[in-house]
Amino acid sequence: QMQVVESGGGVVQPGRSLRLSCAASGFTFRRYGMHWVRQAPGKGLEWVAVVSYDGNKTYYRDSVKGRFTISRDNSRNTLYLQMNSLRPEDTAVYYCARSVHEEWSFDALDIWGQGTMVTVSS
Amino acid sequence: DIQMTQSPSTLSASVGDRVTITCRASQSISGWLAWYQQKPGKAPKLLIKEASSLASGVPSRFSGSGSGTEFTLTISSLQPDDSATYYCQQYNSDSRTFGQGTKVEIK
Repeated sequence: QMQVVESGGGVVQPGRSLRLSCAASGFTFRRYGMHWVRQAPGKGLEWVAVVSYDGNKTYYRDSVKGRFTISRDNSRNTLYLQMNSLRPEDTAVYYCARSVHEEWSFDALDIWGQGTMVTVSS
Repeated sequence: DIQMTQSPSTLSASVGDRVTITCRASQSISGWLAWYQQKPGKAPKLLIKEASSLASGVPSRFSGSGSGTEFTLTISSLQPDDSATYYCQQYNSDSRTFGQGTKVEIK
């Protein structure tokens, strides 16, 4: 069964850091681009970042550039999102998702986790 | 960034109705568009990729069309299980973007 499971969410003060993890199983993780997508409470989906299958290329939405870092460990089948200088507007459920096609990063997302909640509040 | 605009924001229709949702891109994205269905408290589910290609396991009453800047998602015969919010997403540019969503309600 192909799946991804997020962890690492929680409550954090503004300006602090948090690292999210996403454990993949049931597919060859190292062959697929991986994404983070977030959803603020009661709001729509917002794409955050993507890392290529080999970890060599990353792209971010403008509002997180310089603060968030997406990375992966293909030996551990795990995706990460390091979030620094957190702001209240970063409060959201964070989803990990897989690109449909092997080696594609510009792609639809076919496997999603259930999400992990990040709350930024003093 | 490419802006994605969906219409309508909400719609209410009866079981068996044909339903159409539109998504417009602020610049051409060729056919690099996906549609997702999301139910409350759940992760999104991929319905359509590359504008018109049905994802695995998705019922054939769902279909997608369009290219360039205008796209549509059609549900040919609305079912009770289709009550959800639907999102389009472009993946033509470095910064992928979603539409704001369309909430579909069953009368």
